Amino acid sequence: DAKTTQPPSMDCAEGRAANLPCNHSTISGNEYVYWYRQIHSQGPQYIIHGLKNNETNEMASLIITEDRKSSTLILPHATLRDTAVYYCIGRGTGAQKLVFGQGTRLTINP
Amino acid sequence: GAGVSQSPSNKVTEKGKDVELRCDPISGHTALYWYRQSLGQGLEFLIYFQGNSAPDKSGLPSDRFSAERTGGSVSTLTIQRTQQEDSAVYLCASSPNRAGANVLTFGAGSRLTVL
Repeated sequence: DAKTTQPPSMDCAEGRAANLPCNHSTISGNEYVYWYRQIHSQGPQYIIHGLKNNETNEMASLIITEDRKSSTLILPHATLRDTAVYYCIGRGTGAQKLVFGQGTRLTINP
Repeated sequence: GAGVSQSPSNKVTEKGKDVELRCDPISGHTALYWYRQSLGQGLEFLIYFQGNSAPDKSGLPSDRFSAERTGGSVSTLTIQRTQQEDSAVYLCASSPNRAGANVLTFGAGSRLTVL
């Protein structure tokens, strides 16, 4: 898996967009960028993934730079329930061993 | 089933006892993962099964930990002679093994407390 770097913590005001960066400068051409989050005391939850193009679903948007060395997860209108640890992972095709890093602890403030 | 099912959800045991934790993956998912999460810590990889291949046991912390997966479906994580430091939430996940992207689906976890 590609090595990823994320800030350890971030704060965002409720109702604003939360932009979570991830650096994956060593990602290879066939590795996807995945985002998961873990809300306190729950199992991690899949959010979104992408390869080259920007992606959007009902939870978030994923913006991947043209050189694929970094990406940003965007929660467009953050709510208090979005407070969680967010993990960015670079991973190749098929099923493989998956190791999680430390992630970013996002706190949404009222 | 519709999701990954883990049992028991909570287990309290005495130091030195053996425990078994069970994981029922999503039907058709050939990959199965076990993780451990101690209080306030990150996700620690334990073991990974993929189809009929030999499991990747590189994350098991000691020989007191073992896991098996019978018939390519249900998995059991066994901890022998439990110690207080084994207290944690044990999470199981499964995924398909398709070409392209494969998303992990996690269970709710089994919370183990060793007294």
